[in-house]
Amino acid sequence: AQSVTQLDSQVPVFEEAPVELRCNYSSSVSVYLFWYVQYPNQGLQLLLKYLSGSTLVKGINGFEAEFNKSQTSFHLRKPSVHISDTAEYFCAVSYNQGGKLIFGQGTELSVKP
Amino acid sequence: ETGVTQTPRHLVMGMTNKKSLKCEQHLGHNAMYWYKQSAKKPLELMFVYSLEERVENNSVPSRFSPECPNSSHLFLHLHTLQPEDSALYLCASSQDRRGQRVTQYFGPGTRLLVL
Repeated sequence: AQSVTQLDSQVPVFEEAPVELRCNYSSSVSVYLFWYVQYPNQGLQLLLKYLSGSTLVKGINGFEAEFNKSQTSFHLRKPSVHISDTAEYFCAVSYNQGGKLIFGQGTELSVKP
Repeated sequence: ETGVTQTPRHLVMGMTNKKSLKCEQHLGHNAMYWYKQSAKKPLELMFVYSLEERVENNSVPSRFSPECPNSSHLFLHLHTLQPEDSALYLCASSQDRRGQRVTQYFGPGTRLLVL
């Protein structure tokens, strides 16, 4: 079955430290990959996406992610986090089945001063 | 972000009420989606519309009734809801449902509380 796994439900980190949020998906020939961020009481905002081309994708707010086909992973990274990055982050995968997105369970990033 | 708007942002209703959620997208997209987000659960896709035609209904109870009068507007009509229907309801749109135009853009959501 198609699935997306976010390996960490909560990630606490100090301000200005680097962070990596992990995402793995079930294997498929062709996938499109997304990371979304959700601030409290808001909708989902697109951070970045991989559709094709370079496997290193840069997004908004200084985030980047790398598509690794052999490991079926799409981990999200930021070299130095800010308090304002505190939010929930969702990884999502499209298996090109009528636009349907499969979402992970979410990772709660908590940045402490 | 004003690409996808949702009204109301908050709604409290009794189990016997009838209410509607509205979603509008200003992006010229052809596909629209309703999701339910409950606490500590993954996002649940409820309905998918493509060019105003419903193309997916994920076993959603009949007390939720979607309507898509045109490609820019999507409604979710609610009646005789249960307390477990309390959640954040998110609307999204995408250019298309195939190929590389599947990126979905979300609205701010409607926080629904059923008493």
